[in-house]
Amino acid sequence: DGGITQSPKYLFRKEGQNVTLSCEQNLNHDAMYWYRQDPGQGLRLIYYSQIVNDFQKGDIAEGYSVSREKKESFPLTVTSAQKNPTAFYLCASRWAAVSTDTQYFGPGTRLTVL
Amino acid sequence: AQTVTQSQPEMSVQEAETVTLSCTYDTSESNYYLFWYKQPPSRQMILVIRQEAYKQQNATENRFSVNFQKAAKSFSLKISDSQLGDTAMYFCALLVSSWGKLQFGAGTQVVVTP
Repeated sequence: DGGITQSPKYLFRKEGQNVTLSCEQNLNHDAMYWYRQDPGQGLRLIYYSQIVNDFQKGDIAEGYSVSREKKESFPLTVTSAQKNPTAFYLCASRWAAVSTDTQYFGPGTRLTVL
Repeated sequence: AQTVTQSQPEMSVQEAETVTLSCTYDTSESNYYLFWYKQPPSRQMILVIRQEAYKQQNATENRFSVNFQKAAKSFSLKISDSQLGDTAMYFCALLVSSWGKLQFGAGTQVVVTP
């Protein structure tokens, strides 16, 4: 089946730890995105990548890092510098050749800081 | 800067009835795209409908239709013949940039009751 997978579904982090959220897609999409969702708010962009080995900061990149070593994968690391990381994280992807193509989303990861 | 405003935090509708969700946006760009996404309790983001700003005709997808008023910068979603499965959070989103950044509203929770 083609689609976007995110793992794990639930993640718990202790104070001071770095954690990595996985996002994989087999849709042959070029562009990939990470969003954060907090209660009562819409999605906010953390990082995005249009091609392998290149990525750009979004609106709320502080305390996060990403890599794009393969077209299919765009992992997000939540570092200890992120002051309030408890949130729902969504990964998305789209065809970059069509700049206005629709973004499709993965099922999300719920991160909780203990 | 782009903004998207959804002024209705929650709406309730009975099965088979019609409900309309409002969305207003602001952008100085002339070429942009508007989307409605649905997020059911599973939290999977699902595309409902998409509208290109250069098209005057309102988009329709089965029971979902939009009323796009470009001059007023308004983009409302009408759900006809509401079904229990329509219960979800609905997000309005604006796309203006070539790299695909979506600007989301805060969302409207729709509850369909029997």
